[in-house]
Amino acid sequence: NAGVTQTPKFQVLKTGQSMTLQCAQDMNHEYMSWYRQDPGMGLRLIHYSVGAGITDQGEVPNGYNVSRSTTEDFPLRLLSAAPSQTSVYFCASSYSRGGRNSNQPQHFGDGTRLSIL
Amino acid sequence: AQKVTQAQTEISVVEKEDVTLDCVYETRDTTYYLFWYKQPPSGELVFLIRRNSFDEQNEISGRYSWNFQKSTSSFNFTITASQVVDSAVYFCALSEIYNQGGKLIFGQGTELSVKP
Repeated sequence: NAGVTQTPKFQVLKTGQSMTLQCAQDMNHEYMSWYRQDPGMGLRLIHYSVGAGITDQGEVPNGYNVSRSTTEDFPLRLLSAAPSQTSVYFCASSYSRGGRNSNQPQHFGDGTRLSIL
Repeated sequence: AQKVTQAQTEISVVEKEDVTLDCVYETRDTTYYLFWYKQPPSGELVFLIRRNSFDEQNEISGRYSWNFQKSTSSFNFTITASQVVDSAVYFCALSEIYNQGGKLIFGQGTELSVKP
């Protein structure tokens, strides 16, 4: 059982370059999300999706795009990388049926460490 | 707005000491979930506990225990007889109960160092 798989694990970009961080889960979870982790700030939500074809913004969405064409995949796109986007990025997924059955523990990937020069 | 505060940025203890990690939260919702996650030096996030706002019973799991007090909006985490393997960053998080999927609001994290 692979769980949540993120690729790549490490990446160095130059300012202005674009790239896509990949996230895939094999647990048939409806809910997927992207967080960034910066020193002293915990994890902050970038974008999330409650199912295929549905995405929404989190706390820090600027500079990032997402799409959810399948239940399994939730890629995060940086259109024009900036040094402020240097961070560790985590993808997460969880089972969700809403209401009292929502808020199941989220399963996190191992993270992508991204440096923008 | 929702907010989670972990006032202790770093804690250092000697092995076998008990240690409590504080978590204070703010929410206007009457129903919500609280979580604790552990991030060891290897970097992955490990789920420890989920507690809903209806259940104020304390919980114990081995050397770990959690004290949820709705009156003071706190959800503190205690490690009894700490071990070197407990060294990690610990995050407290909050989520609305009727938010599909449960967007998590994280605290800043507390870095625990357990020395032999």
